[in-house]
Amino acid sequence: EVQLVESGGGLVQPGGSLRLSCAASGFPFSPYWMHWVRQVPGKGLLWVSLIDNDGTNTDYADSVKGRFTISRDNAKNTVILQMNSLRVEDTAVYYCARQTSSSFGRAFDIWGQGTMVTVSS
Amino acid sequence: DIQMTQSPSSLSASLGDRVIITCRTSQSISNFLNWYQQKPGKAPKLLIYAASSLHSGVPSRFSGSGSGTDFTLTISSLQPEDFATYYCQQSYSTPRTFGQGTKVEI
Repeated sequence: EVQLVESGGGLVQPGGSLRLSCAASGFPFSPYWMHWVRQVPGKGLLWVSLIDNDGTNTDYADSVKGRFTISRDNAKNTVILQMNSLRVEDTAVYYCARQTSSSFGRAFDIWGQGTMVTVSS
Repeated sequence: DIQMTQSPSSLSASLGDRVIITCRTSQSISNFLNWYQQKPGKAPKLLIYAASSLHSGVPSRFSGSGSGTDFTLTISSLQPEDFATYYCQQSYSTPRTFGQGTKVEI
């Protein structure tokens, strides 16, 4: 079965750090670009970060730039989101998602179930 | 950044109705426009990619059209399982912005 499974969410104090993991299975991981998207419960979707297939290129939303770092381990079929200097406004469900090729619109065709991050004192 | 304007933000419809949701972008994105469906407590699911291509396994009552800056998602005959929130997303450039969502209610 093709799937993505996130882990690592939880409760953290403002200024703290969390490390989210996304484990891929059921498909060849290394060819795919991967993304993180977050969603405040009851609100819309917000793109957070991307990493290309070999980890050479990354990009971030302005709201997380300089605080979050995306990385991947193709040997372990895993993508990581290291979140530092967390703020209350980072509270959200975090999803990882697989991107299709340009021939298929660079859409997000596979999503994980999400992991909740709560930043609160 | 490319701004997404999705409308309406919500709509009420009945079973069998034809539903149209629109998405406008602040600059031309060719056909790099995707549509997702999300139900409460669940991850989004891809419906339409590249503006008009139906993702595998998605019922044919869903269709997409448009190019440039104006796009539509059409549900030809609303079914009970279609009550959900729908999002457009541009994949032309980063940040990969989403529309604000359209909640389809009974």
